[in-house]
Amino acid sequence: AQSVTQLDSQVPVFEEAPVELRCNYSSSVSVYLFWYVQYPNQGLQLLLKYLSGSTLVKGINGFEAEFNKSQTSFHLRKPSVHISDTAEYFCAVSDGTGGGFKTIFGAGTRLFVKA
Amino acid sequence: DAGVIQSPRHEVTEMGQEVTLRCKPISGHDYLFWYRQTMMRGLELLIYFNNNVPIDDSGMPEDRFSAKMPNASFSTLKIQPSEPRDSAVYFCASSPRGRNSPLHFGNGTRLTVT
Repeated sequence: AQSVTQLDSQVPVFEEAPVELRCNYSSSVSVYLFWYVQYPNQGLQLLLKYLSGSTLVKGINGFEAEFNKSQTSFHLRKPSVHISDTAEYFCAVSDGTGGGFKTIFGAGTRLFVKA
Repeated sequence: DAGVIQSPRHEVTEMGQEVTLRCKPISGHDYLFWYRQTMMRGLELLIYFNNNVPIDDSGMPEDRFSAKMPNASFSTLKIQPSEPRDSAVYFCASSPRGRNSPLHFGNGTRLTVT
């Protein structure tokens, strides 16, 4: 069975500092990996996805993530954060079973950017 | 594109009452998902449909929960009878195709059962 572990429940950081949000996954089959962001009182929005190819994936709002198969990780990074990046971030894995698929989410990491 | 539309945005009801949550997916999306979000359990997949057919309902907590998708543009999640522990934010999401396509979420329905 697949699972997703987000290693930090909260990450406080000062504005313009770099940030890394960590994600590890487990799956017995090849996977597709995603990062989503959730702002207060809204649904989740896609930040970026890894399907295949280059292990460094760039997304919206200056975020990027690196797929590391040997370490089963998919960490999210941003070199310089803004106050507006304050939100909850979810790592997710999609696994195909039979004719359909499930997307399983991690517990989330709350990023808090301080002035 | 209007995105995934959920209604109502907020629902407050008393224990024992029936609750119906509604979802209109993005046109052309073949997959529809219902998730529940709580502080304790995070995001839980309740059920998902492919081409209006329920594929996996193993996440539905108990028989009090039921979901239908009578056509490609409408789905409901019903709780009968509701209990205080059902209080959560319920999200509907749709996806155009298989496992390599991301989910598009609605803004959720915040359910409070008193």
